[in-house]
Amino acid sequence: NAGVTQTPKFQVLKTGQSMTLQCAQDMNHNSMYWYRQDPGMGLRLIYYSASEGTTDKGEVPNGYNVSRLNKREFSLRLESAAPSQTSVYFCASSEQAGRPPETQYFGPGTRLLVL
Amino acid sequence: DAKTTQPNSMESNEEEPVHLPCNHSTISGTDYIHWYRQLPSQGPEYVIHGLTSNVNNRMASLAIAEDRKSSTLILHRATLRDAAVYYCILRPANAGGTSYGKLTFGQGTILTVHP
Repeated sequence: NAGVTQTPKFQVLKTGQSMTLQCAQDMNHNSMYWYRQDPGMGLRLIYYSASEGTTDKGEVPNGYNVSRLNKREFSLRLESAAPSQTSVYFCASSEQAGRPPETQYFGPGTRLLVL
Repeated sequence: DAKTTQPNSMESNEEEPVHLPCNHSTISGTDYIHWYRQLPSQGPEYVIHGLTSNVNNRMASLAIAEDRKSSTLILHRATLRDAAVYYCILRPANAGGTSYGKLTFGQGTILTVHP
């Protein structure tokens, strides 16, 4: 099993450009998550999808949109990138959000630089 | 979510045991104790979790104090590959609202392993 995969690994954007970060999991998990990690800030939840067909905002959703394409895939879109969105983005999945212990499995991350 | 306190950093020698402490004096009766680690330039990785009893798995052991106000992650024989940031995280059994699905990563403990 590959677990959680993310593409691309690295990306450089200019301010105002758009892009989509892709995430896929092969563990048959119901729930998926997008986090961002900034130096000294820890990980912060952007959006999550408790199950196929549902998405909800996390603590820092502004400037992002998500799509739960199917049970395996959960994408994150930046419509108009800003320098403040320079970060490392992690996708994660779990069997079912809200069902203890909610162990989450993370992808390798996408490093995004917005100039 | 209840707060956890960990030392900023710890050091160990290869093949020696490592005890990583975590204080969580405000833990509630239904909070699970999770440990994750993050190796350099990688996504967080699940290590172990527990509720009341001590737990063992192939990666580590988790010792939980009888009053549950502290716990210790034990790596039995540290290797260079165990050098990482270790996070102690509490997850409520009935997370809802803005806590739903969210893992709250604090600053963690930076573990350095010397050859």
